[in-house]
Amino acid sequence: GESVGLHLPTLSVQEGDNSIINCAYSNSASDYFIWYKQESGKGPQFIIDIRSNMDKRQGQRVTVLLNKTVKHLSLQIAATQPGDSAVYFCAENLYGGSQGNLIFGKGTKLSVKP
Amino acid sequence: DAGVTQSPTHLIKTRGQQVTLRCSPKSGHDTVSWYQQALGQGPQFIFQYYEEEERQRGNFPDRFSGHQFPNYSSELNVNALLLGDSALYLCASSSGPPSSGANVLTFGAGSRLTVL
Repeated sequence: GESVGLHLPTLSVQEGDNSIINCAYSNSASDYFIWYKQESGKGPQFIIDIRSNMDKRQGQRVTVLLNKTVKHLSLQIAATQPGDSAVYFCAENLYGGSQGNLIFGKGTKLSVKP
Repeated sequence: DAGVTQSPTHLIKTRGQQVTLRCSPKSGHDTVSWYQQALGQGPQFIFQYYEEEERQRGNFPDRFSGHQFPNYSSELNVNALLLGDSALYLCASSSGPPSSGANVLTFGAGSRLTVL
């Protein structure tokens, strides 16, 4: 089965609201997690990452939370904007640091209503 | 500063044919990874090249092969194409040895392959 998955395939939010995208992973050996954003016709774009020795990391308007107890990862986007509309993927790394071999989930499509 | 560039952007092949996809990594990057992304799915790791050698490989058959050149650019070759090979093929580059830590991948826009 798939090691990384997402709870919801689609998410629709109002512009200005906060968005929360969730992800479950199944491999306890994973120690590095990344969120990517993929807009139509483009390749995945790095958003934020987190190592397993952290439980929270913040970027510009984005926060990633990691709960290793329940193997759950979430991406929070503050004040969601129309430009945030895209498919969001979480990915995990099983090899302790090598970013080349990532396991991606299926993705959540975020739609922002003006 | 050019990012990762891939060619061709779109191509159509028939079953049984062979295809070669090309990738130029981001300036300053020396490691190239290839991913296959089926429609509506997340990318799946094919293999990774560093110092002109395949360093890691995902669960793909031997029909998928690659190469990295001294200038760090890379090719992905797929032989005996199947209908199921239709997908977006993504190239990603990063800097440094694959085991050196959290080197952020930079992805190209991909090559869309359709097999008829």
